[in-house]
Amino acid sequence: AQKITQTQPGMFVQEKEAVTLDCTYDTSDQSYGLFWYKQPSSGEMIFLIYQGSYDEQNATEGRYSLNFQKARKSANLVISASQLGDSAMYFCAMREGFQGAQKLVFGQGTRLTINP
Amino acid sequence: DVKVTQSSRYLVKRTGEKVFLECVQDMDHENMFWYRQDPGLGLRLIYFSYDVKMKEKGDIPEGYSVSREKKERFSLILESASTNQTSMYLCASRLSWPSYNEQFFGPGTRLTVL
Repeated sequence: AQKITQTQPGMFVQEKEAVTLDCTYDTSDQSYGLFWYKQPSSGEMIFLIYQGSYDEQNATEGRYSLNFQKARKSANLVISASQLGDSAMYFCAMREGFQGAQKLVFGQGTRLTINP
Repeated sequence: DVKVTQSSRYLVKRTGEKVFLECVQDMDHENMFWYRQDPGLGLRLIYFSYDVKMKEKGDIPEGYSVSREKKERFSLILESASTNQTSMYLCASRLSWPSYNEQFFGPGTRLTVL
């Protein structure tokens, strides 16, 4: 069963608009964490934001915020005021495993294109 | 800054060849990982190592092996390359503690098996 699901293979957004990238997850663990990474066309993976399952507030990092809805098992990435440089693949990932030997499970990714 | 380097950006090999992909990190990270990335499938974990000489199978270990003799180096080995192993291979590393530490990725190796 898919543990991380990103249902939007591609999204097209006008520059300066806000965009939400969907991510749902499946776990029976009480303690877990969710990451978002960006992969531009150059190929490098860039860490954007992290949300822990016990964090009471939604994570924010500059223009990035995470809309964490624990009961619905969703961890959507919100990018405010999108820029042309935001065009990239975006991956949601969940950490699993025991302390010291944790790994990430990734979703299929969403390709975001920002139009001028 | 953390740096994760991979031995090649592009590699072309023939079916049946033994292939070595090398990954080196310079920040004394305990955990290291090998992923392959294919369109529509995201990143899939092949193997990971949580410390020197320790290794664990990921989700798709068949056809691959790994070696971690030194903390900074994690090698992925394709014993007998096949065309279905044509893919982008990404190496990553992280500190094992705390749990919110992100993984740092290398630039990737695009492997083509003919």
